[in-house]
Amino acid sequence: DSGVTQTPKHLITATGQRVTLRCSPRSGDLSVYWYQQSLDQGLQFLIQYYNGEERAKGNILERFSAQQFPDLHSELNLSSLELGDSALYFCASSGGTSGSSRTDTQYFGPGTRLTVL
Amino acid sequence: AQKVTQAQTEISVVEKEDVTLDCVYETRDTTYYLFWYKQPPSGELVFLIRRNSFDEQNEISGRYSWNFQKSTSSFNFTITASQVVDSAVYFCALNAGGTSYGKLTFGQGTILTVHP
Repeated sequence: DSGVTQTPKHLITATGQRVTLRCSPRSGDLSVYWYQQSLDQGLQFLIQYYNGEERAKGNILERFSAQQFPDLHSELNLSSLELGDSALYFCASSGGTSGSSRTDTQYFGPGTRLTVL
Repeated sequence: AQKVTQAQTEISVVEKEDVTLDCVYETRDTTYYLFWYKQPPSGELVFLIRRNSFDEQNEISGRYSWNFQKSTSSFNFTITASQVVDSAVYFCALNAGGTSYGKLTFGQGTILTVHP
């Protein structure tokens, strides 16, 4: 158990809908990362937050947004869902006070499997 | 740009065989970090090892060992005396510098199947 929790574990929804994925980092970790794992794209970095602020952005679609709250939990919002958004979404967290994050090991949660029908 | 290549898509071995998973990376940064993660059938990503670009010393942890060679930009992973529980997808990942901050660039993964 990495100490990172994600809810829900599974999510089934329809095209055009909006969903929210939730992540709680390991105790004491300030950085939260979101990744998408799909069969065709593999594991792709979406976005990183550090202590409530956006720190780095990857291949995140404009229909997707995220935020990190004062208690350090994070939410990933996916809207106007398409079939191609079906994937496993991982949250990871790491410690470190500098926010550079290069040296930190990222510990991953169990993931949320999103199915868009 | 950073890139990680795991040329072996699938490997199948019989229990007790040794197996090596290859990882080749590309980066222009002189300071970077390399990782291996394991994804068992249950789906979670489990951290195995981290190595920084200044430390080329090989590492052994039980049946696992890692060979980091900067000259060939490779960070290979060997499992000695494989077991059925080693069956999983293994990912090599790179964290480099610049504005990438915490972005991990993953390889495509190698599916390892260990048969009894």
